[in-house]
Amino acid sequence: RKEVEQDPGPFNVPEGATVAFNCTYSNSASQSFFWYRQDCRKEPKLLMSVYSSGNEDGRFTAQLNRASQYISLLIRDSKLSDSATYLCVVKGNFNKFYFGSGTKLNVKP
Amino acid sequence: DAGVIQSPRHEVTEMGQEVTLRCKPISGHNSLFWYRQTMMRGLELLIYFNNNVPIDDSGMPEDRFSAKMPNASFSTLKIQPSEPRDSAVYFCASSFFGAGGTNTEAFFGQGTRLTVV
Repeated sequence: RKEVEQDPGPFNVPEGATVAFNCTYSNSASQSFFWYRQDCRKEPKLLMSVYSSGNEDGRFTAQLNRASQYISLLIRDSKLSDSATYLCVVKGNFNKFYFGSGTKLNVKP
Repeated sequence: DAGVIQSPRHEVTEMGQEVTLRCKPISGHNSLFWYRQTMMRGLELLIYFNNNVPIDDSGMPEDRFSAKMPNASFSTLKIQPSEPRDSAVYFCASSFFGAGGTNTEAFFGQGTRLTVV
């Protein structure tokens, strides 16, 4: 079983739409959670950390459900520039970062 | 600040040749990761160093792959002999792992795009 599972998409949405991505993780002892963004032919970059109480950064909201081992990312008012692959990341024992396979988002005009 | 620096950015080599990928982590970071990314398998963790010591190499696909970290500012990933199925983007990432909870996220280099023909 993979450490982190994500729906690969693609999600095709119009500009201005709200879109949500989910991921599940297998290790209940995981301590830190992140969403990364990867543009085509570029390296992954941190989008935001995910805190137990949930957190928001502008149009982006991340939620963590430890009981269900589930992480979500909500993007409101989608922009063309949001088109990318979004990677769910879980940090396990000894500082190891486990990446999901990513969910591809295409925002259309 | 300089980020994680990888070289070369692109490598094309013939099957059977030795390939060496290089990485300079962010100064002050004590954890270094080598990942491989393909369309089919996504981002796979190959090996992880902490304080220059390999902690987990369970992701290294086979004996043809080896990695070293001789000091805190340099690491190599070597493939010998290379095969066409090794073609992928290889990323190096670094982070700081502190016992007191002062940890950072993983910062990635720009990757090395390897093509084995």
